[in-house]
Amino acid sequence: DAGVIQSPRHEVTEMGQEVTLRCKPISGHNSLFWYRQTMMRGLELLIYFNNNVPIDDSGMPEDRFSAKMPNASFSTLKIQPSEPRDSAVYFCASSLRQGRGNTEAFFGQGTRLTVV
Amino acid sequence: KNQVEQSPQSLIILEGKNCTLQCNYTVSPFSNLRWYKQDTGRGPVSLTIMTFSENTKSNGRYTATLDADTKQSSLHITASQLSDSASYICVVSATGTASKLTFGTGTRLQVTL
Repeated sequence: DAGVIQSPRHEVTEMGQEVTLRCKPISGHNSLFWYRQTMMRGLELLIYFNNNVPIDDSGMPEDRFSAKMPNASFSTLKIQPSEPRDSAVYFCASSLRQGRGNTEAFFGQGTRLTVV
Repeated sequence: KNQVEQSPQSLIILEGKNCTLQCNYTVSPFSNLRWYKQDTGRGPVSLTIMTFSENTKSNGRYTATLDADTKQSSLHITASQLSDSASYICVVSATGTASKLTFGTGTRLQVTL
């Protein structure tokens, strides 16, 4: 398996533009997580899907952020409109939920977003 | 509020030396604690996972300890190598909240010649 695949690796966009980040989880995993990482705040959970259903989106900073998981092999995180303070590295991770617990979360290589 | 604090924030050591990174947490009820290594420009990769009943776990030159009473964990790196230069992140999860991982902000380790 190629692991969690994210695209693009780098994105530079102007303030006000729409940004879409993409993620392909590991085949067979049923949980998917979107995280944001900044120097100041470290890793923060934005949203968590289980079996393609959003379970916890309390970390989504505001309405400009939205995430979808139309099927088990694809998810998107959209920012519209983007702002300079959204600049960060966005990670997608997947794991296998068994019972009440999850196995180890495997992370993608991240998308470095710069909003100018 | 669940929190994970790591120290030091950054550390520079000479190749071949040992070092110890610290993690204090207030996550409750405790389920497990993981140490992740994050190389520059890459996603975090799990090094160890420890549950309540485990005191020590090793992974090659990495040895993690857990004291569930004092809610402290450490990651000891033996005979450091240049490739150990990375950020080390302590992550704690609470029972019954599979999605709620509490992350520390990491210790940035630099190993030099």
